[in-house]
Amino acid sequence: KNEVEQSPQNLTAQEGEFITINCSYSVGISALHWLQQHPGGGIVSLFMLSSGKKKHGRLIATINIQEKHSSLHITASHPRDSAVYICAALKNYQLIWGAGTKLIIKP
Amino acid sequence: DTAVSQTPKYLVTQMGNDKSIKCEQNLGHDTMYWYKQDSKKFLKIMFSYNNKELIINETVPNRFSPKSPDKAHLNLHINSLELGDSAVYFCASSQVGANTEAFFGQGTRLTVV
Repeated sequence: KNEVEQSPQNLTAQEGEFITINCSYSVGISALHWLQQHPGGGIVSLFMLSSGKKKHGRLIATINIQEKHSSLHITASHPRDSAVYICAALKNYQLIWGAGTKLIIKP
Repeated sequence: DTAVSQTPKYLVTQMGNDKSIKCEQNLGHDTMYWYKQDSKKFLKIMFSYNNKELIINETVPNRFSPKSPDKAHLNLHINSLELGDSAVYFCASSQVGANTEAFFGQGTRLTVV
C-alpha cells in the first residue's frame, strides 16, 4: 500500500462540472503539495498546504491534518484543465508521491 | 527567468554510453531532488541533496551518480546506459522547513536504443 493514495485514478467530466480529487496519506508530513502535469509532460506546482484551505482562481485545495486527507477542487471546469493531478506529501527531505489522477474535461 | 532548468530536454543515446543531465535552480533553495517517472507515470525519488550533501539515496543502480558542485546545481551522471533507463527524469528544488512550494524542471526524456 502506497503511503499516499489518490482517488479517482481516472476522471472524465463535462465542461463546467465541479471536480474533486482526493488524497489520503498515512505518514506524518510537514506539508502536502498538489501538482499538475500537462500532456506535454511538464510539472507545475499548484499548492503547498500545511493546514486549512487555499484558493487560486478556479482551484481550491483543502487539507485536514487530523484525518490525513486533502482534496483538490476545480470549479467551472474547462477542457484546458485536462491534465494529470498529483498530490505529494513532504516528509523530511522527501516528496512522497501519489499515483496521480488523470482528468479529462470534454467540451 | 526559469526557476529550475534541466538540460537537455531530450536525449537519445545508445546502450553502454555514459551521459549527464544537468539541473540548475535560481531560487536559492537548499534542497534539490532527482525523480524518475516510469512508464506508468509514477514518480519515484532517486536522490535528494541538502546544501550539497546527499540526504536520500533510494535503491538506484550505482551507475547513477549525482553530483552537486554547489547548492544551485545537481547533475545526474549515468554510466553504461541500459534500455531500462529510458524514462523521463525530473529535477526539483525546495526550501525544506519553510512554507514554500517545490519547483520542477521541465523534465528530460531519455531514450536508450
